[in-house]
Amino acid sequence: EVQLVESGGALVQPGRSLRLSCTASGFTFSDYAMSWVRQAPGKGLEWVGFIRSKAYGGTTEYAASVKGRFTLSRDDSKSIAYLQMNSLKTEDTAVYYCARAPRGYSGYEFDYWGQGTLVTVSS
Amino acid sequence: SYELTQPLSVSVALGQTATITCGGNNIGGKNVHWYQQKPGQAPVLVIYRDSNRPSGIPERFSGSNSGNTATLTISRAQAGDEADYYCQVWDSSTVVFGGGTKLTVL
Repeated sequence: EVQLVESGGALVQPGRSLRLSCTASGFTFSDYAMSWVRQAPGKGLEWVGFIRSKAYGGTTEYAASVKGRFTLSRDDSKSIAYLQMNSLKTEDTAVYYCARAPRGYSGYEFDYWGQGTLVTVSS
Repeated sequence: SYELTQPLSVSVALGQTATITCGGNNIGGKNVHWYQQKPGQAPVLVIYRDSNRPSGIPERFSGSNSGNTATLTISRAQAGDEADYYCQVWDSSTVVFGGGTKLTVL
């Protein structure tokens, strides 16, 4: 059974950093691309970023709203995807979901999602 | 940047057919995916690549895509279908979500 479990969400002050983890199980993590999607309270889904599998370069893509502040990475030996968030702003407050793409590269749907982890940016 | 437009809300009588649209410039040339999200839960994929259903999704869910509009159709609507629905595409190397549609089953 495919499972994605996010962790690391917390209350953090503006300007600080936070790293989220997405621990995967039930599939060969290294074969798949992963993405992060967030949802601010009462709002819709907003894509954050995407990381391809190592077979496709392990390259990343980012939404304009987080580019230069957020970094996606992956540790295939541990089946974990990371989201490093720097220079956090109050508008980054959201539930952060990790999601799997059914291939190692971009252009596809997200077939499995984690349950989300809440990040609150406030002084 | 590419934009997807969805109605804020759609209502359907129990047992009838609900139609949720997703508008975008020449969206017919893209693969459209649809997600269902119930309160307090993670999104669930219900239609991928315009018209394909993942395993476990009822046949009552169907999708189409042509021109400037993609459509999610829910036949014989049930109370359990009440949720927010989001369309999604890739545009170049970025992911775009529609604003979401709240489906109410009356």
